[in-house]
Amino acid sequence: LAKTTQPISMDSYEGQEVNITCSHNNIATNDYITWYQQFPSQGPRFIIQGYKTKVTNEVASLFIPADRKSSTLSLPRVSLSDTAVYYCLVGDNQAGTALIFGKGTTLSVSS
Amino acid sequence: GAVVSQHPSRVICKSGTSVKIECRSLDFQATTMFWYRQFPKQSLMLMATSNEGSKATYEQGVEKDKFLINHASLTLSTLTVTSAHPEDSSFYICSARGGLAGGNSYNEQFFGPGTRLTVL
Repeated sequence: LAKTTQPISMDSYEGQEVNITCSHNNIATNDYITWYQQFPSQGPRFIIQGYKTKVTNEVASLFIPADRKSSTLSLPRVSLSDTAVYYCLVGDNQAGTALIFGKGTTLSVSS
Repeated sequence: GAVVSQHPSRVICKSGTSVKIECRSLDFQATTMFWYRQFPKQSLMLMATSNEGSKATYEQGVEKDKFLINHASLTLSTLTVTSAHPEDSSFYICSARGGLAGGNSYNEQFFGPGTRLTVL
């Protein structure tokens, strides 16, 4: 079973900041939080990963509170091309451990 | 980042035939590869975990005799759908994690572009 809960869908307009929150109440000590993006008929693409506090890269920020029971993916100034499904996953980073996908959040960006 | 390729990207076959899908890690050695299946409007579902040189581990409900997985080298895993039927039509995605020599510091899981299988 997936260990995460996300909103099924979100709508936004170009130029806005989008925050997608994920709940992972049973996160384990060794688990990392990873976000992937998937476009139709493509494989998932890594966006960002973190363990605690805040992580930022060139495309997104990831906010993780101290209890780590939730996380928020922040996409600054979205564009139409950010329309996709976003998955929040938790798991350890052992080589033999697969990522288990939940339902994901379908983000629709309009002009 | 590391690249995982899949071949073919699309395949159409007749019911009862077998189809082989290749998954390659192009610039790193993948000690473990994973196979997922995705039906329309649904999430990815893990089918099996493939370890180089050993038998694959299948998830509950996945028929190992129908979905044959071979991981003959550190850069290649194959999934063969045997005696395919229309209900096997799906999007098959492989992914790979490197050992110490691959991935980023978090041992990232890299995904292939997927293979669209249509069984007539």
